[in-house]
Amino acid sequence: EDQVTQSPEALRLQEGESSSLNCSYTVSGLRGLFWYRQDPGKGPEFLFTLYSAGEEKEKERLKATLTKKESFLHITAPKPEDSATYLCAVERGSNYKLTFGKGTLLTVNP
Amino acid sequence: EPEVTQTPSHQVTQMGQEVILRCVPISNHLYFYWYRQILGQKVEFLVSFYNNEISEKSEIFDDQFSVERPDGSNFTLKIRSTKLEDSAMYFCASKTDRGEQYFGPGTRLTVT
Repeated sequence: EDQVTQSPEALRLQEGESSSLNCSYTVSGLRGLFWYRQDPGKGPEFLFTLYSAGEEKEKERLKATLTKKESFLHITAPKPEDSATYLCAVERGSNYKLTFGKGTLLTVNP
Repeated sequence: EPEVTQTPSHQVTQMGQEVILRCVPISNHLYFYWYRQILGQKVEFLVSFYNNEISEKSEIFDDQFSVERPDGSNFTLKIRSTKLEDSAMYFCASKTDRGEQYFGPGTRLTVT
């Protein structure tokens, strides 16, 4: 059974304080690893897709990386508007269903 | 920018009643999904739908649930005889044959 574990569960940062979120996974035949952002009461918002170990993607203050066992979401000089829950999900198989982790609740204080 | 839409945003129903949650996926997408998220828990896969039939369903998706694509644009989730434990956010998602799933804003279902 596919497993996705995210850490930490919650992270509180000061504005400008860089950090990383971790997503470790166990899946047979990974097709892709996805990062989403979720604001309270809203649907997951797509951020990145990573398909192979060594791949990196960047968007503004966010950078996602992938190894064979885990993925990191690096946040550089975060701002209060980056506060959200960040979800990691893995995809395998022909039906492309996603298996999600519990997420990391990020709070950035001004 | 195209987006997935869902209606209603909030549905309150009594235990034992039937509800239909509606979704309009992105127009050129081929794969459609329903997920749910119970308050404070992870997003869980319910069902995937492709080529007018269910392609995979989870253990949660029992005979109480059904999905339908009644026309070229809508995708619905029907929950028969709702239970208290069906209270959750229900998300619709869609994708092309390659690439990422895009999620709708969700329907908050409250069963009383």
